[in-house]
Amino acid sequence: DTEVTQTPKHLVMGMTNKKSLKCEQHMGHRAMYWYKQKAKKPPELMFVYSYEKLSINESVPSRFSPECPNSSLLNLHLHALQPEDSALYLCASSPSRYRENSPLHFGNGTRLTVT
Amino acid sequence: SQQGEEDPQALSIQEGENATMNCSYKTSINNLQWYRQNSGRGLVHLILIRSNEREKHSGRLRVTLDTSKKSSSLLITASRAADTASYFCATDLGYTNAGKSTFGDGTTLTVKP
Repeated sequence: DTEVTQTPKHLVMGMTNKKSLKCEQHMGHRAMYWYKQKAKKPPELMFVYSYEKLSINESVPSRFSPECPNSSLLNLHLHALQPEDSALYLCASSPSRYRENSPLHFGNGTRLTVT
Repeated sequence: SQQGEEDPQALSIQEGENATMNCSYKTSINNLQWYRQNSGRGLVHLILIRSNEREKHSGRLRVTLDTSKKSSSLLITASRAADTASYFCATDLGYTNAGKSTFGDGTTLTVKP
């Protein structure tokens, strides 16, 4: 089991649906990340939150909307997704975005299928 | 192409053998990390080596870093079936790109019992 919890584990949604992915950590980490991973590919960074503020947006389409309500929670709101958005969405955390030599702690991901 | 590239893409060995996978990168780094990912799961951090270190050990894992060649290797000794997974290197470019760890393409390791 990981210390970063993601829900749901699996999600199937239509292109007109609105859904949210949730991520929670209680390690006191102040940096939280969203990654997208397609099958047999490495994770690709989407967003970074540092001290609850959006710090990095890697040119992600606006149909993905991140939110960090507090230091323990990270959400990813999904709307009007496309089938090519189907992927494993991974949340990660680290003590601080700027603390050097700190590895990422990953959750087990949400497997998203867009139909 | 990506900052980190790994070879081989796939590796199949017998239990008890050693497995070596390599990672190459293009620009100066602050540190390099290795992660393991079991099928359909999240990534688990294995080991981090700083740019001023040349070798690091953790249990059956040995990581080397050659900054002059911009490459790193991960050696798993006495492999077990439970080591079957994908292995990724990730590079940290330092303060100006803090938080932007970039992952290599990964090596899929299969250890046959």
